[in-house]
Amino acid sequence: DVKVTQSSRYLVKRTGEKVFLECVQDMDHENMFWYRQDPGLGLRLIYFSYDVKMKEKGDIPEGYSVSREKKERFSLILESASTNQTSMYLCASSSSGTGREDTQYFGPGTRLTVL
Amino acid sequence: SQQGEEDPQALSIQEGENATMNCSYKTSINNLQWYRQNSGRGLVHLILIRSNEREKHSGRLRVTLDTSKKSSSLLITASRAADTASYFCATVPRAGNNRKLIWGLGTSLAVNP
Repeated sequence: DVKVTQSSRYLVKRTGEKVFLECVQDMDHENMFWYRQDPGLGLRLIYFSYDVKMKEKGDIPEGYSVSREKKERFSLILESASTNQTSMYLCASSSSGTGREDTQYFGPGTRLTVL
Repeated sequence: SQQGEEDPQALSIQEGENATMNCSYKTSINNLQWYRQNSGRGLVHLILIRSNEREKHSGRLRVTLDTSKKSSSLLITASRAADTASYFCATVPRAGNNRKLIWGLGTSLAVNP
């Protein structure tokens, strides 16, 4: 079974802090994604990556950056956390190889509160 | 970006009843997927239906796809309290970057014991 792990389930940070959210997958997937989920807004894509050191902006990249130095690890960075970044953050991975058809596998989520 | 739309937004039924959720989308697709999310957790993939398929079954789940109407439905038969969750549809567009899924806003299902 695919396993996607996220570094924290709950996180509380102060405004202006630099925040790192880590995601690790163990199935050699080439694609990795960061979403945020807010009530009534569904899943919104922040950034995704389909190879090491490759990244593409999603729908809401402002205020975020990402890093993918190794295939299994995808980090989301909040350079200077703000209260409007309080949200549930979900990491996912997928493979585009034959038969995989871009099914995404999700981590358990990190609920971030910025005070 | 474009999003699918599920309806209803919320559904409340009794244990043992069937639950039907619908999803509409806007562009041609390679496949359509349904996911479940239990409260405060990550999403879990349930079932995938390809654009050349019309119906698919998995246990108590039945998914239909009508590409002419750009719509899909998810039927959960003989529902259980453990089916209480939010259900999301997601599409892989035929054009553009098909690594990204286009997500609906979800249907919240409550199954009452």
